[in-house]
Amino acid sequence: DTAVSQTPKYLVTQMGNDKSIKCEQNLGHDTMYWYKQDSKKFLKIMFSYNNKELIINETVPNRFSPKSPDKAHLNLHINSLELGDSAVYFCASSNRLNGNTEAFFGQGTRLTVV
Amino acid sequence: SQQGEEDPQALSIQEGENATMNCSYKTSINNLQWYRQNSGRGLVHLILIRSNEREKHSGRLRVTLDTSKKSSSLLITASRAADTASYFCATGFQKLVFGTGTRLLVSP
Repeated sequence: DTAVSQTPKYLVTQMGNDKSIKCEQNLGHDTMYWYKQDSKKFLKIMFSYNNKELIINETVPNRFSPKSPDKAHLNLHINSLELGDSAVYFCASSNRLNGNTEAFFGQGTRLTVV
Repeated sequence: SQQGEEDPQALSIQEGENATMNCSYKTSINNLQWYRQNSGRGLVHLILIRSNEREKHSGRLRVTLDTSKKSSSLLITASRAADTASYFCATGFQKLVFGTGTRLLVSP
């Protein structure tokens, strides 16, 4: 049973396309995140949702639009993909209700824009 | 800006040796966490140390925290080849801010 699962694992697409990455967690957590890891392994938060509400948006271009249909899912849609969007995108979740900041990560989606 | 800076950036040791990684951060914290990332995988939580703690152990892991110096260290004792991974420190509550990471290579 995978705690945080994201699909697809690999995504290769052309510039200008629109693509989505899906994430689901079965841990009952109330908070979900999207992180971007660049080629230098630098991890940066993009978005955070708590109980389906957006609480963090870290100056991400509006081509990136997260959607949380329920507490267990946080999807990431990217419009008009650019070469610079190539990176590994990680979904994560945590349970902030009890003050626990430990995050559980998915396996990542390696996005390559050509 | 990046919250944590880690050093060394890369560390290469032999099995059985100890590995020490350091993390410095910039603002006050409630706790600090360490994560491991194996190549091509997601991050895995290793240990959390609270701001009122100075040292914490978990198996072969020993973490120290010096809030006056805004620094933490992760010690892995008796390293194994399976410990080969990147190690990140992270701070924050609403959002985790990660350090730049230390790439550890443990050779058999």
